[in-house]
Amino acid sequence: DVKVTQSSRYLVKRTGEKVFLECVQDMDHENMFWYRQDPGLGLRLIYFSYDVKMKEKGDIPEGYSVSREKKERFSLILESASTNQTSMYLCASSLIGGGPLDTQYFGPGTRLTVL
Amino acid sequence: AQKITQTQPGMFVQEKEAVTLDCTYDTSDPSYGLFWYKQPSSGEMIFLIYQGSYDQQNATEGRYSLNFQKARKSANLVISASQLGDSAMYFCAMREGGSNYKLTFGKGTLLTVNP
Repeated sequence: DVKVTQSSRYLVKRTGEKVFLECVQDMDHENMFWYRQDPGLGLRLIYFSYDVKMKEKGDIPEGYSVSREKKERFSLILESASTNQTSMYLCASSLIGGGPLDTQYFGPGTRLTVL
Repeated sequence: AQKITQTQPGMFVQEKEAVTLDCTYDTSDPSYGLFWYKQPSSGEMIFLIYQGSYDQQNATEGRYSLNFQKARKSANLVISASQLGDSAMYFCAMREGGSNYKLTFGKGTLLTVNP
């Protein structure tokens, strides 16, 4: 079975803190993604990675960075959390294969609140 | 212009009846894939069904089928024999051929199944 896990379901942080969100997949997928989901705005891509140490900016990378040191793990970093980063964060992974093979599978999400 | 449009913010259906959730898309790329995801209140995005732009037949997965009308650029999800557990947000998404596997999501439709 496909398995994507995220380090926390709920997280509360203070403005200015450095925040790490971790994502792990056990499917040997090449691609990994970080999205944020906000009411009325849908899902928006923050960053994705297609290989270890490789990354590309998505639609809203400002205020975020990522790290992928191992194939199975993709971290999202908020260098200095701000209240407008309060959101639901979803991690996903996929193969590189074209067609249905690159279906993205999602983790359970992390609801981050920045006070 | 929106690439994925879901015009129904909310839908209601009686248990055991069929329901159609609408999705229209906009792309000039001849190669693309269309995906439907379900998001229960718990937050996890669950992959339901995939349709490729070159697929001759409509995709089916159990009680889910995709009514793919390429000329109209629509990819409606049909859920047969609705169950109470089908109550959730449903998202249509598109991956365009040259997009480095990026998915573009619609805003979603909230389906409520009534007993």
